[in-house]
Amino acid sequence: AQSVSQHNHHVILSEAASLELGCNYSYGGTVNLFWYVQYPGQHLQLLLKYFSGDPLVKGIKGFEAEFIKSKFSFNLRKPSVQWSDTAEYFCAVGTGRRALTFGSGTRLQVQP
Amino acid sequence: NAGVTQTPKFQVLKTGQSMTLQCAQDMNHEYMSWYRQDPGMGLRLIHYSVGAGITDQGEVPNGYNVSRSTTEDFPLRLLSAAPSQTSVYFCASSSTRRGGTEAFFGQGTRLTVV
Repeated sequence: AQSVSQHNHHVILSEAASLELGCNYSYGGTVNLFWYVQYPGQHLQLLLKYFSGDPLVKGIKGFEAEFIKSKFSFNLRKPSVQWSDTAEYFCAVGTGRRALTFGSGTRLQVQP
Repeated sequence: NAGVTQTPKFQVLKTGQSMTLQCAQDMNHEYMSWYRQDPGMGLRLIHYSVGAGITDQGEVPNGYNVSRSTTEDFPLRLLSAAPSQTSVYFCASSSTRRGGTEAFFGQGTRLTVV
C-alpha cells in the first residue's frame, strides 16, 4: 500500500519569504501526485497536480511543485508567500486503483 | 454545477446513537470516498467505492458502513456513535477517465459525539 510523508508539521514564515514543503511517498508503480490546500474552516482545494510529462508543475496562486522520481518526492514551492497563504497543505498520492492517500499535513502560518 | 454536496454541516450525537452522513455528486464520477480529518493526522480513508454496487474498506473502517446504490450517492452510516468518532468528515469524488484521479471534496461535516 502507498504512504505519504510530510516532514514539516508546522512552518512559520514572514511575508515575502520563500516556501518549500517536503513530501515523500512510497509506492513502486506509476503515481499521480497532488497538493491540496485547506484554508481555515474550509474544505480541501486542489493547488496542483502531476499525472505525467514535465516534472515541474505550476498551480494556482504562484505555487509550483517538482516531481523527482528517483527521490520519490514531490515538494511544494512558492518564491514569496503572502499572509493569505496561511493554511494547511496536504500532499496526496493516487495510484488509480483506490482513493487518494494523504500525508498528515503541514500547517503554514505567514506573519505579516 | 453543485460538485460534491454533503449534509449536514454540523451534527452532535450522543454516544450510542446512529446517523447517516449524506454525500451526493453530480459529475458522474465513478470513484467516491469518505475521509475523516483529525488534528495532526491528515485525512484518513474510511471507505471508498469504485462504482455503483462496489465498496471497499479504507484505513479506518471500523464503526462505519457504506453503500453505493447509485453513481451519485454515497452515504456513510455510523452504527453506534462513540466519542472517538468526533471528527470532521469529508466526502470526495473522482474519475479516472481523464487519466488521473484528482479528487473533488465536499464542504465537510463536523461531528461531535458526547
